[in-house]
Amino acid sequence: GENVEQHPSTLSVQEGDSAVIKCTYSDSASNYFPWYKQELGKRPQLIIDIRSNVGEKKDQRIAVTLNKTAKHFSLHITETQPEDSAVYFCAARGSQGNLIFGKGTKLSVKP
Amino acid sequence: EAGVVQSPRYKIIEKKQPVAFWCNPISGHNTLYWYLQNLGQGPELLIRYENEEAVDDSQLPKDRFSAERLKGVDSTLKIQPAELGDSAVYLCASSLGRQGRVTQYFGPGTRLTVL
Repeated sequence: GENVEQHPSTLSVQEGDSAVIKCTYSDSASNYFPWYKQELGKRPQLIIDIRSNVGEKKDQRIAVTLNKTAKHFSLHITETQPEDSAVYFCAARGSQGNLIFGKGTKLSVKP
Repeated sequence: EAGVVQSPRYKIIEKKQPVAFWCNPISGHNTLYWYLQNLGQGPELLIRYENEEAVDDSQLPKDRFSAERLKGVDSTLKIQPAELGDSAVYLCASSLGRQGRVTQYFGPGTRLTVL
């Protein structure tokens, strides 16, 4: 079945450093790739998304890249801040129209 | 605009008891999703509605789980009887679902504990 793998499961960085989270997907028909941030006990919130007709998208300190050939997409956070600490989930919209989520990356930004 | 609303936020029940969760999607969103989120995992789809029609319930354990969205707006997810393994967060999400607008907005979830 459709699958999304996410790495790493945990990531610890110093404030000001960059953080990169990578995902791979199995369904070559996937055409939409959102990233959600979930703080402890709160709802997942969309932070950025990308569609399959675009290779890169940037929003201030956050960027997402997509390699359709390799079926990889990545989240890049620059100049990390303590408030970036959370669990980040990638997802891919499969051929059935549903989002398949990765297992999450717990990001810790140390002051 | 108001976000997705869910209630209750927390529920503690004993095994074999029934439980129900309620979701009110963002106004105008015709697509509604129920997800299960286990601790340390990503959300997993249980059921997806397009208006009042369940278009994908393949992951819903139908022996004990049921859902409805009678008027194409609010939805209820029910478990009867609950088992220990059902302890998790149940998330509701909605999307506009038209003209390629597929962004899903999540509610705060209901944290279920089965004792």
